Amino acid sequence: QKEVEQDPGPLSVPEGAIVSLNCTYSNSAFQYFMWYRQYSRKGPELLMYTYSSGNKEDGRFTAQVDKSSKYISLFIRDSQPSDSATYLCAMIRSYNTDKLIFGTGTRLQVFP
Amino acid sequence: SQTIHQWPATLVQPVGSPLSLECTVEGTSNPNLYWYRQAAGRGLQLLFYSVGIGQISSEVPQNLSASRPQDRQFILSSKKLLLSDSGFYLCAWLPRRGLNTGELFFGEGSRLTVL
Repeated sequence: QKEVEQDPGPLSVPEGAIVSLNCTYSNSAFQYFMWYRQYSRKGPELLMYTYSSGNKEDGRFTAQVDKSSKYISLFIRDSQPSDSATYLCAMIRSYNTDKLIFGTGTRLQVFP
Repeated sequence: SQTIHQWPATLVQPVGSPLSLECTVEGTSNPNLYWYRQAAGRGLQLLFYSVGIGQISSEVPQNLSASRPQDRQFILSSKKLLLSDSGFYLCAWLPRRGLNTGELFFGEGSRLTVL
């Protein structure tokens, strides 16, 4: 079993739709959770970061962490064609000595 | 501001040839540096990381090696490339605040095709 599972997609939605991207994980020791966005042929860029359970909102983006279910989500409201990219979840157990574990990424396409 | 540079952006190499990918970080000192490989459908695989000059930790045994000759320079090398080495190679660095969070910042990537 992989430590982090993420549906690769592709997920295709019309402009203006609400998008839900998800990851599940197996290790309950993960504490820090991140979402990266990666445009084609580019390096990933950090989009959202959350610590432990709860929600975090930044503009059209909301990150949710449910540690009891070992489930994290990224919601995109009013999706735009410019949101078309691959979204990777990532998580880490402890700082300084641990390594970031990535999901395989979900490819999102927002069509006009 | 801190920036990360990675080159070359694209590389096509024959099997058995050597490889050298270079990464430099500007605007910071003593960063943690990382090399990742991204293959289709497999996500990001950590290859090497370094916490200081000359200090390299290898995550995956393979025919690749890494070196850190200077504080802000990280090099990925191979003496003889294999077909399976094809992929998208990403250099990343960890800012000081990232020591508490694991937030990595990535370069633009180097796409390697081994023929």
